[in-house]
Amino acid sequence: NAGVTQTPKFQVLKTGQSMTLQCAQDMNHEYMSWYRQDPGMGLRLIHYSVGAGITDQGEVPNGYNVSRSTTEDFPLRLLSAAPSQTSVYFCASSYSQRNEQFFGPGTRLTVL
Amino acid sequence: GENVEQHPSTLSVQEGDSAVIKCTYSDSASNYFPWYKQELGKRPQLIIDIRSNVGEKKDQRIAVTLNKTAKHFSLHITETQPEDSAVYFCAASRALTGNQFYFGTGTSLTVIP
Repeated sequence: NAGVTQTPKFQVLKTGQSMTLQCAQDMNHEYMSWYRQDPGMGLRLIHYSVGAGITDQGEVPNGYNVSRSTTEDFPLRLLSAAPSQTSVYFCASSYSQRNEQFFGPGTRLTVL
Repeated sequence: GENVEQHPSTLSVQEGDSAVIKCTYSDSASNYFPWYKQELGKRPQLIIDIRSNVGEKKDQRIAVTLNKTAKHFSLHITETQPEDSAVYFCAASRALTGNQFYFGTGTSLTVIP
């Protein structure tokens, strides 16, 4: 089991560029989430999914899109990168909303 | 939505002493409360969790207590060791509304040898 994987590990973008952060899990988990982590602010939920074809917004969804076409993959798209999106992004998955979340290794994104 | 507050933001203890981190939540429908440990540059990892039908749970040197009436829960680490130094996050989840976990802002624990 690879668990939760994320690519890339590091990324530098210019303002206005778009990109997709990849997330995959091989544990057959229905629940997947994207968080951003900023100093002093903990982990804030961006978007989440309760199963293939179902997504919903979290606390800070603006500027991000997600889709869930398969159980395994949950990509996060930045439509037009802004410096305020400089952060560390974590993907997580769990069997249900009342079970342990497993986190990926994170993607450190810098927007210039 | 849910609001989770965590205190203190930083905590220093001598090796062998106990450490206590406290969290409060606002939504009485929250029913699952995990604690995560995050070492520098690493991903968060679950160390202990508690569900709303239980008041206390222990796992070796780590324990969590839950007071549903007061809407607060605490992490207790006894006999602290230098390898306990990390950032600890509490979280709350509502089972009825999907996979929404709300995290506290974290506590940076330093154990001084």
